[in-house]
Amino acid sequence: KAGVTQTPRYLIKTRGQQVTLSCSPISGHRSVSWYQQTPGQGLQFLFEYFSETQRNKGNFPGRFSGRQFSNSRSEMNVSTLELGDSALYLCASRGTNGDQAFFGQGTRLTVV
Amino acid sequence: GQQVMQIPQYQHVQEGEDFTTYCNSSTTLSNIQWYKQRPGGHPVFLIQLVKSGEVKKQKRLTFQFGEAKKNSSLHITATQTTDVGTYFCLGGSNYKLTFGKGTLLTVNP
Repeated sequence: KAGVTQTPRYLIKTRGQQVTLSCSPISGHRSVSWYQQTPGQGLQFLFEYFSETQRNKGNFPGRFSGRQFSNSRSEMNVSTLELGDSALYLCASRGTNGDQAFFGQGTRLTVV
Repeated sequence: GQQVMQIPQYQHVQEGEDFTTYCNSSTTLSNIQWYKQRPGGHPVFLIQLVKSGEVKKQKRLTFQFGEAKKNSSLHITATQTTDVGTYFCLGGSNYKLTFGKGTLLTVNP
């Protein structure tokens, strides 16, 4: 069974630009969560989607948004990028509540 | 909102020494999961605890869930260089998932 796939793996953007990251969960998993990981803040929860609906949201500004498609693939968008948005963005898929989360390799975003 | 505090933030040990990391939640959890992230890698699931007072073992790793379901610990006996990485707890409650900030373990051979 294929794992969680995140694309792209690496990205360099300039301040003010926007970016879209993609996450394809494990087949059959309907929950996709997004996390931002930085050395100082650890793993911070962005949002979770389940069956195309946002089920939970973390404390991030509105510049961070996401969506989930009918095939459970999810995208995360960050608009008006800031230097502080440089981070590793991880997505995780789960089958049902409480199931273990399977993480993708992440997208390393650098904002210059 | 739900917060999960994890300590210590860093731990450096000599190979063969024991290691423990602790997580404390501000609210009662329905479950807690533990993950390990190797340097440059992504978090990998280790175990899930659900019951009050639950203790589970995986070889040299011992996981505990507190009686009140608000705290948990991961203990590694006789650390090895392969144990290097960051250990995270993930507290679950009412669909909300909150990660602890992780404990970075380094092992001196």
